[in-house]
This record gives sequence, C-alpha cells and structure tokens, in this order.
Amino acid sequence: DVKVTQSSRYLVKRTGEKVFLECVQDMDHENMFWYRQDPGLGLRLIYFSYDVKMKEKGDIPEGYSVSREKKERFSLILESASTNQTSMYLCASRTGTGHYNEQFFGPGTRLTVL
Amino acid sequence: DAKTTQPPSMDCAEGRAANLPCNHSTISGNEYVYWYRQIHSQGPQYIIHGLKNNETNEMASLIITEDRKSSTLILPHATLRDTAVYYCIVRSSGSNTGKLIFGQGTTLQVKP
Repeated sequence: DVKVTQSSRYLVKRTGEKVFLECVQDMDHENMFWYRQDPGLGLRLIYFSYDVKMKEKGDIPEGYSVSREKKERFSLILESASTNQTSMYLCASRTGTGHYNEQFFGPGTRLTVL
Repeated sequence: DAKTTQPPSMDCAEGRAANLPCNHSTISGNEYVYWYRQIHSQGPQYIIHGLKNNETNEMASLIITEDRKSSTLILPHATLRDTAVYYCIVRSSGSNTGKLIFGQGTTLQVKP
C-alpha cells in the first residue's frame, strides 16, 4: 500500500515563527501536492511538484514556499506564520504518468498559529 | 475543469444502499468523473473514477448518465464506517498537473 506520512498530526506555533511541514511518500511518485483545508472552503492547492527540485504554484501560494530536494520528500514552509494560516494541511502524491489521477493523501497536519 | 454540484448532506440506514448524486452539466468530452471521500480527521481517499461507462470496484459503483451531465456513486451496503464527506470531481485527462478541485462535497451520515 502507498503510504504518505506527515511529520506531525497537530502543531501549535506563534505568529512570526518559521514553520516546516514535512511530507514523505514511499511509492516513488513523481508528483506531490500540498493543500490546505478550511471549513466552507474545501481543499485548496497551495503548491505542487512534478519532480525533484521542480515546483509550481497552486491557487493560494502567498505566504508559503516549498522544497523538494529528494523525490520522496516534499516540504511546506511558512516563512513567518500568521493566524490566518491556521488550518488543516494535507499532503498528497501520485504517479506522474497517465490520466489515472488517484492521489494518495497523508493524514493531515492541523496547524494552529497563535 | 467542469464544476460539480452535490447535495450538502444525506442520510442512509446501515445495510442499505447509499446513492450519492452529482451534477456536472458542463462536462466536456475528455473529462473524467472522480469520487473521493474523507472520513473525519483523515486525508481524502480515492474511491472510483469513470469516463462514460459505468464502473464498479470493491468499494462502490459509479453510474454515469448517457449525456454525462450527472452521475451517481452507489455504496451497495453502507456501514457506519462509510460515514464521511464524499467529493465528486471532474477533470480533464489532458491535464498533467494532477490538480484536483474539491468542492463542498456531500456529508453522508450512515445511521444504525
């Protein structure tokens, strides 16, 4: 079974802190994604990566950056956390070939910024 | 990618079939219909997808109307563990970003 793991299930940070959210997948998938999920807004794509060191902005990249130095790992960085970044963060991965778009999601990290 | 419309919530009795509708009246010829679900406090989970033919797997069946403007996800024998938010997503096979657009979904409550 594909496994996507995220470094923390719950995280509490203070405004202005630099925050790292880590995601690791074990199926050699090319594509990886970061979403955030908020009540009433559904899942929104922040960034995605289709290969090592490659990244593309999603719909809401402001205030975030990403890093993909190794194929299995995709990190989301909040350079200076703000209260409006309090959210559930979901990482996903998929194979890069074909139209078959099954994305495998991690369990999520619930981030609270105080 | 075409927009989808789903009812916000539905109830189903345990052991009965759950039929979840989705409207996608602006779907185009190369767009697939995907269904995911999200159980509370977990990440979304893929269920099934289809283009124009009905599809079945170990989890569910997908019925797509002939004009492809709507579809129904069927859970044949719903259990309490099927209580979740179900998302219907339409996207093009030509897209290579893998981006999924999740709407509000349908909250399915399976009751004993």
